Amino acid sequence: QQPVQSPQAVILREGEDAVINCSSSKALYSVHWYRQKHGEAPVFLMILLKGGEQKGHEKISASFNEKKQQSSLYLTASQLSYSGTYFCGIVPNAGGTSYGKLTFGQGTILTVHP
Amino acid sequence: DSGVTQTPKHLITATGQRVTLRCSPRSGDLSVYWYQQSLDQGLQFLIQYYNGEERAKGNILERFSAQQFPDLHSELNLSSLELGDSALYFCASSVGTVNQPQHFGDGTRLSIL
Repeated sequence: QQPVQSPQAVILREGEDAVINCSSSKALYSVHWYRQKHGEAPVFLMILLKGGEQKGHEKISASFNEKKQQSSLYLTASQLSYSGTYFCGIVPNAGGTSYGKLTFGQGTILTVHP
Repeated sequence: DSGVTQTPKHLITATGQRVTLRCSPRSGDLSVYWYQQSLDQGLQFLIQYYNGEERAKGNILERFSAQQFPDLHSELNLSSLELGDSALYFCASSVGTVNQPQHFGDGTRLSIL
């Protein structure tokens, strides 16, 4: 089942902060975050693993609450280059061959103005 | 440049036809993933291959099939095309099969007339 992202869209001025949330109805093994600019391919940002390990971007942080089955992406001191659609992808805690399958949320459109 | 190469970039064809999309993964990556992106369905996982073997399957239609060859390139075959198959098809690759950053190609835009 598809995770739910909120908000659907957010508009910021340069330097402002934003939080994007991702909620799942299933227990999660990991959460992956990607950013897609208009007309381009998605670009990897971060992976958060069960147990607290993180792999990813230096300037973007995220959290993963396993009990609540939620993840949040924190964008601080936003820059114009942060504009794009942010997707969370989940890997459910089902094990086996499901580890390779990422189910993405519907996306959050972030617009940063000068 | 992600290092993942997809061809062709654009494909225009008619209903009922069959097409093949091609993907070359980044050097060293053994996993290949296929995704479909449309406005109403978002980014949908289709299928994953790892070193030539199918590893995970999403809601891929029976009319669609894929394979990964010994040189690790992959092809996605779409047959009996319908108007609803019009979408952007992405290929991604990663080193391993579990919790790895996926590197996306630029996609193939398929338009069914």
